[in-house]
Amino acid sequence: RKEVEQDPGPFNVPEGATVAFNCTYSNSASQSFFWYRQDCRKEPKLLMSVYSSGNEDGRFTAQLNRASQYISLLIRDSKLSDSATYLCAVKSGTGGFKTIFGAGTRLFVKA
Amino acid sequence: GAGVSQSPSNKVTEKGKDVELRCDPISGHTALYWYRQSLGQGLEFLIYFQGNSAPDKSGLPSDRFSAERTGGSVSTLTIQRTQQEDSAVYLCASSLLAGAGGGELFFGEGSRLTVL
Repeated sequence: RKEVEQDPGPFNVPEGATVAFNCTYSNSASQSFFWYRQDCRKEPKLLMSVYSSGNEDGRFTAQLNRASQYISLLIRDSKLSDSATYLCAVKSGTGGFKTIFGAGTRLFVKA
Repeated sequence: GAGVSQSPSNKVTEKGKDVELRCDPISGHTALYWYRQSLGQGLEFLIYFQGNSAPDKSGLPSDRFSAERTGGSVSTLTIQRTQQEDSAVYLCASSLLAGAGGGELFFGEGSRLTVL
């Protein structure tokens, strides 16, 4: 079983739609959680960190469920510019805290 | 420079040759990572340098792969006797913090390796 798993999609949604992605992690000792965005043929960039209490940044909401070991990302009012791959990342480990990424979920927002 | 710098940006080599990929992290960043990304795939963890602690090499796919970080700054990833399956984009990232704390990763633009 992979440490971090995501549905690869693709998710095809119309502009204005609400879309949600989930990501599960296997290591219960995981400490920090993130969502990154990667545009085609570009490097990943941090979208937002995920806090235990949940956090919101404009149209984006991230939540953490430690009991079920998953994190989620909700995008409201999707824009064409939201089309990208969304990678969840988990920092965990014993004796070291490396950051492990999921395989990414591809989102296509259509006009 | 202000960001993570990687070189070369593109490398084409013949099967069996050795290659070296370089990463210059953001100044002052304690943690440095190497990942590999094949076409259409996610980021595969390779190695993690965490300050003065021993590096986590658990992701290196074979003994043909090695990496070092000199003086806590520049890192070199070396692939010996390259194989076609080594073709991928090799991404380097650095983070201000090592250890259990949070820490955004800042990525370089990657080195695209093609093994013929």
